[in-house]
Amino acid sequence: QKEVEQDPGPLSVPEGAIVSLNCTYSNSAFQYFMWYRQYSRKGPELLMYTYSSGNKEDGRFTAQVDKSSKYISLFIRDSQPSDSATYLCAMSDSGGSNYKLTFGKGTLLTVNP
Amino acid sequence: DGGITQSPKYLFRKEGQNVTLSCEQNLNHDAMYWYRQDPGQGLRLIYYSQIVNDFQKGDIAEGYSVSREKKESFPLTVTSAQKNPTAFYLCASSIRGPYNEQFFGPGTRLTVL
Repeated sequence: QKEVEQDPGPLSVPEGAIVSLNCTYSNSAFQYFMWYRQYSRKGPELLMYTYSSGNKEDGRFTAQVDKSSKYISLFIRDSQPSDSATYLCAMSDSGGSNYKLTFGKGTLLTVNP
Repeated sequence: DGGITQSPKYLFRKEGQNVTLSCEQNLNHDAMYWYRQDPGQGLRLIYYSQIVNDFQKGDIAEGYSVSREKKESFPLTVTSAQKNPTAFYLCASSIRGPYNEQFFGPGTRLTVL
């Protein structure tokens, strides 16, 4: 079982739709959870960061973490064509000395006008 | 402007040649990372460095080498021993510690001819 599983899609939705992107993980030590957005042929940029369980909202984006289920989600409300990108989940634990991020494989999202 | 720069943007290499990819950051970050991204594979960690003059192998270090002589710079050499070097290479940096939001450069696309 891979440490982080993410449905690669592709996911295609009409403009204005609510989008749900998800990752599951197996390492119960993960405490820090991030979502990155990556446009084609560009470097990833951080969208959302959450620590431990709970919700975090930023504009049209909401990140949820359910540590009991080892499941994280990113919701995009009122999706726009400019949201078309690959979305990567990433996570790390709080122990040890290396603080590496473990990434999902990414979900390719297309929002159609 | 603070950020991470990678050069060149595109790089072509003949089989059997070593090539070095440049990564520079002016964010005053201690930690730096190199990732490889292939279609459908997500980001895979090649090498990382938490401090000057120290670095560790990531998940796919074979055929690669790095140095960390300066805090701002973390060059990656793709050697002839790397069997399938054609890929998109991403450099990132972060502060040290468990909350290690990683900032990414724009990437270098390496093609072996």
